[in-house]
Amino acid sequence: DTEVTQTPKHLVMGMTNKKSLKCEQHMGHRAMYWYKQKAKKPPELMFVYSYEKLSINESVPSRFSPECPNSSLLNLHLHALQPEDSALYLCASSQDWAEPYGYTFGSGTRLTVV
Amino acid sequence: AQKVTQAQTEISVVEKEDVTLDCVYETRDTTYYLFWYKQPPSGELVFLIRRNSFDEQNEISGRYSWNFQKSTSSFNFTITASQVVDSAVYFCALSGETGANNLFFGTGTRLTVIP
Repeated sequence: DTEVTQTPKHLVMGMTNKKSLKCEQHMGHRAMYWYKQKAKKPPELMFVYSYEKLSINESVPSRFSPECPNSSLLNLHLHALQPEDSALYLCASSQDWAEPYGYTFGSGTRLTVV
Repeated sequence: AQKVTQAQTEISVVEKEDVTLDCVYETRDTTYYLFWYKQPPSGELVFLIRRNSFDEQNEISGRYSWNFQKSTSSFNFTITASQVVDSAVYFCALSGETGANNLFFGTGTRLTVIP
């Protein structure tokens, strides 16, 4: 299994909703990432988990809350989002954070905040 | 600071033409890695190649080839005999110690191959 699976593929939520994005990989990778990509922009790093511990939080607002329940799963909990948070949210994994042998990306969740 | 510049925002070519996508990078690291990713309309970022800073050999993979030149800080990507399926956004990316080995992406080049 050489994939990163993200669910749901599409999500529409109101500003008062609470939702979660899920990411799963079974490649034995020990680093997992959340990226945010606005339309016609490159992906921007949000969070890095290395060995299930949060290693980097790139000054992301607290309405985004990451969670790594185990080495295969990565969640992103969403609460009280704003319309400007509408974007493609990409999950990625790599063998190890310190050794960037290449990242495997999921196909993303297209989030629309209304 | 890490920086990747892809000056070509959009390129259109007719099928079977060759096309080169430019990538220029800046880093103070002596050890770093350069990547190319393809992003089709489906959204997934598809890994194409990784090159480390000590390996300047050019690489060819089928219709794809890469030219890495440290002297000009460039890592250009050429598609030979382009096909409609090559239409996508292509990102060049850099990782190195200064950026805690995280990926820094260029702004991307949207390639459209016209049948």
